[in-house]
Amino acid sequence: DTAVSQTPKYLVTQMGNDKSIKCEQNLGHDTMYWYKQDSKKFLKIMFSYNNKELIINETVPNRFSPKSPDKAHLNLHINSLELGDSAVYFCASSPRLENYGYTFGSGTRLTVV
Amino acid sequence: DQQVKQNSPSLSVQEGRISILNCDYTNSMFDYFLWYKKYPAEGPTFLISISSIKDKNEDGRFTVFLNKSAKHLSLHIVPSQPGDSAVYFCAASDNNQGGKLIFGQGTELSVKP
Repeated sequence: DTAVSQTPKYLVTQMGNDKSIKCEQNLGHDTMYWYKQDSKKFLKIMFSYNNKELIINETVPNRFSPKSPDKAHLNLHINSLELGDSAVYFCASSPRLENYGYTFGSGTRLTVV
Repeated sequence: DQQVKQNSPSLSVQEGRISILNCDYTNSMFDYFLWYKKYPAEGPTFLISISSIKDKNEDGRFTVFLNKSAKHLSLHIVPSQPGDSAVYFCAASDNNQGGKLIFGQGTELSVKP
């Protein structure tokens, strides 16, 4: 009964492909996030949703489109993958906006070849 | 412009001794600070936090100190245990940022028996 689960854990794909990463939380939290950990190890926010409403879109290329069908799910779809998209993507949730005790998923390592 | 910096990529400490992990920030609007711990192939887990109205917060073996004038915080672990070996991320937020956390790049702590 993982609190925040992401699938897949690993994703290897060719440039130009479209792929999705799924995230689900069973904590009853209102807010969900996507973070990207790049090669320099910084964790940078991409998006946040609160009760299915987009709150933060952190100047991410529009090839990245988040979708929140309900407050327990936040999926990330990436079109036309590029080499520079290779990174570890973390989903997280928190009880509400401005409650910073995030619970993170275990990450999805995306490799674009 | 990295607003949160952890200048030591790694730290090695003997079991039983004190571990001190440091973090510097540049944004004086930050009002809440957190430390997360990350094991390989797992997501970060919340460890301890401090509000900007305090200068110290303690939780068992973990203490976080905040020096607002120096824009510096530190995490002390006493006594250090081999199970503390992990990457530690410092994070900061301000109340006007919609729940966004800004992370440092992490410090890898190794506690040797």
